[in-house]
Amino acid sequence: QKEVEQDPGPLSVPEGAIVSLNCTYSNSAFQYFMWYRQYSRKGPELLMYTYSSGNKEDGRFTAQVDKSSKYISLFIRDSQPSDSATYLCAPGPNSGYALNFGKGTSLLVTP
Amino acid sequence: DTGVSQNPRHKITKRGQNVTFRCDPISEHNRLYWYRQTLGQGPEFLTYFQNEAQLEKSRLLSDRFSAERPKGSFSTLEIQRTEQGDSAMYLCASSLVGEETQYFGPGTRLLVL
Repeated sequence: QKEVEQDPGPLSVPEGAIVSLNCTYSNSAFQYFMWYRQYSRKGPELLMYTYSSGNKEDGRFTAQVDKSSKYISLFIRDSQPSDSATYLCAPGPNSGYALNFGKGTSLLVTP
Repeated sequence: DTGVSQNPRHKITKRGQNVTFRCDPISEHNRLYWYRQTLGQGPEFLTYFQNEAQLEKSRLLSDRFSAERPKGSFSTLEIQRTEQGDSAMYLCASSLVGEETQYFGPGTRLLVL
């Protein structure tokens, strides 16, 4: 079992929909949780990070962490075609300060 | 532009050749990381530096791979005797000591023929 599991999708939603992206992890030692967005052939871009269980909101994005069930979610409200990308969850640290990425979920928001 | 930069952005090479990539981190970021990403996968950690010291190496970093950060600023990743399985996107990221957030560069896409 990989340390971080993420449904690769693709997930297709109409513009304006609420999107829910999910991730599970197995290592209870993970202390912080990041979400990155990656457009095709580009480097990952940091979207959200959180250190504790609960919700963190930033504009249209909400990150949710449930440490008891080792479950991480990212919600996108009022989704836009420009949100079409791959979303990577990345809990950490592993040994040292490495991040552990899931495979990423491919999201397509159609106009 | 004050973000992480990587050069070259693309590299095509023949099997058996050596290649070297460069990463310039965000100014004053003392931690620098290398990751590798293959198609359909998330980035996988290779190694990281704190200033000029290489503090961690993944088991993915075979003997053909070597990374340096001689003055604690830019870093190079060299792959010797490239193999077709080395074809991937090589990503560099940087962060400040005491902060966990890592900022990624655009990557170097390597294709080994």
